[in-house]
Amino acid sequence: SQTIHQWPATLVQPVGSPLSLECTVEGTSNPNLYWYRQAAGRGLQLLFYSVGIGQISSEVPQNLSASRPQDRQFILSSKKLLLSDSGFYLCAWSILAAETQYFGPGTRLLVL
Amino acid sequence: EDKVVQSPLSLVVHEGDTVTLNCSYEVTNFRSLLWYKQEKKAPTFLFMLTSSGIEKKSGRLSSILDKKELSSILNITATQTGDSAIYLCAVRRGSAGKSTFGDGTTLTVKP
Repeated sequence: SQTIHQWPATLVQPVGSPLSLECTVEGTSNPNLYWYRQAAGRGLQLLFYSVGIGQISSEVPQNLSASRPQDRQFILSSKKLLLSDSGFYLCAWSILAAETQYFGPGTRLLVL
Repeated sequence: EDKVVQSPLSLVVHEGDTVTLNCSYEVTNFRSLLWYKQEKKAPTFLFMLTSSGIEKKSGRLSSILDKKELSSILNITATQTGDSAIYLCAVRRGSAGKSTFGDGTTLTVKP
């Protein structure tokens, strides 16, 4: 069966520090991968999606970047965090031919 | 701009009540509408709807899509305290399956 991992679970970082959040998927090949951010009391905002290795599409201009160095690895990064980067970050995957997205456990990021 | 609007934003009911949650959308290249339940952490999948008028059912939960009205409802009958959660509606669009989410409905079921 497929599983999706994210780490760390929680992170407190100072403004201006770098960020690296990692997401890995097991049990499937060539998944579509997604990064979302959820602000308190809000829905999920799509940040990036990837349909293959090295293929990244950005949905909104921002302080973050994403990379997909391996088929089942998706990384969210920032060189310098802003206060507004605080939130709950969720990674998700789906199979191209199907529609359902499956979410990882998420990372709570607090930028102080 | 693609938009998904859920109503009500929050709802407080008592155990045994029946609730109806609404989701309306305006998106280009509609593929499907999905409902998720979010408790403490990651959303968990409830339903995927692609065709109008066909009800999907799972236990006390059911959902239906109306493509003419660009909307969907999620019904929960005989609510229990374990149904307390945020219910998210998402619309998938385009060939990459990008999703636009609503802000969710926070349901609180009191004993």
